[in-house]
Amino acid sequence: DQQVKQNSPSLSVQEGRISILNCDYTNSMFDYFLWYKKYPAEGPTFLISISSIKDKNEDGRFTVFLNKSAKHLSLHIVPSQPGDSAVYFCAASAGVNGGSQGNLIFGKGTKLSVKP
Amino acid sequence: KAGVTQTPRYLIKTRGQQVTLSCSPISGHRSVSWYQQTPGQGLQFLFEYFSETQRNKGNFPGRFSGRQFSNSRSEMNVSTLELGDSALYLCASSQGQWGTDTQYFGPGTRLTVL
Repeated sequence: DQQVKQNSPSLSVQEGRISILNCDYTNSMFDYFLWYKKYPAEGPTFLISISSIKDKNEDGRFTVFLNKSAKHLSLHIVPSQPGDSAVYFCAASAGVNGGSQGNLIFGKGTKLSVKP
Repeated sequence: KAGVTQTPRYLIKTRGQQVTLSCSPISGHRSVSWYQQTPGQGLQFLFEYFSETQRNKGNFPGRFSGRQFSNSRSEMNVSTLELGDSALYLCASSQGQWGTDTQYFGPGTRLTVL
């Protein structure tokens, strides 16, 4: 059973508009969430993270929102640029709470296409 | 700082052989985690090493093993290769702290088993 779900396999957005990527999780022990960006044949690149004690974290054009009661997080990219086109993975960690140190649980990814 | 490096980048083996993959973490990072990425299963956790000790292990058969050296470099070994072991193998390093510990990934090793 998937503990981290990204229900949209793909998303297409116009350059300059907002991209919103969504992620749902089922394990209430998750206390740290991360977003990674991945190009084909490369390793994932860390984008932004959020601890479960926060509900929002910003870094430049990237903002992550966490809704613990809904077990939902989202990544907002504003404004979107063609160079943002990649596969985005949501990941979660139970860390010390879940006795799962070093183990990130990944969603299946959402392929974002930003059109000029 | 240099990023995570993995060698080799590409590898072709035949069924029944064994393979060793290497990972050098970011300087100062003491934790190394290994993942397997396949089109069907996505990114799956293999194991994590911290200070030369395996701290955590995923749901993979015993043919998959690893170790970590005193300089934090890590190796992963797969014995008796099967066709289904064809995948991108990624290693990630982190400081290894409890709680909010961000992992940084290497470029991966693409293993093809024929």
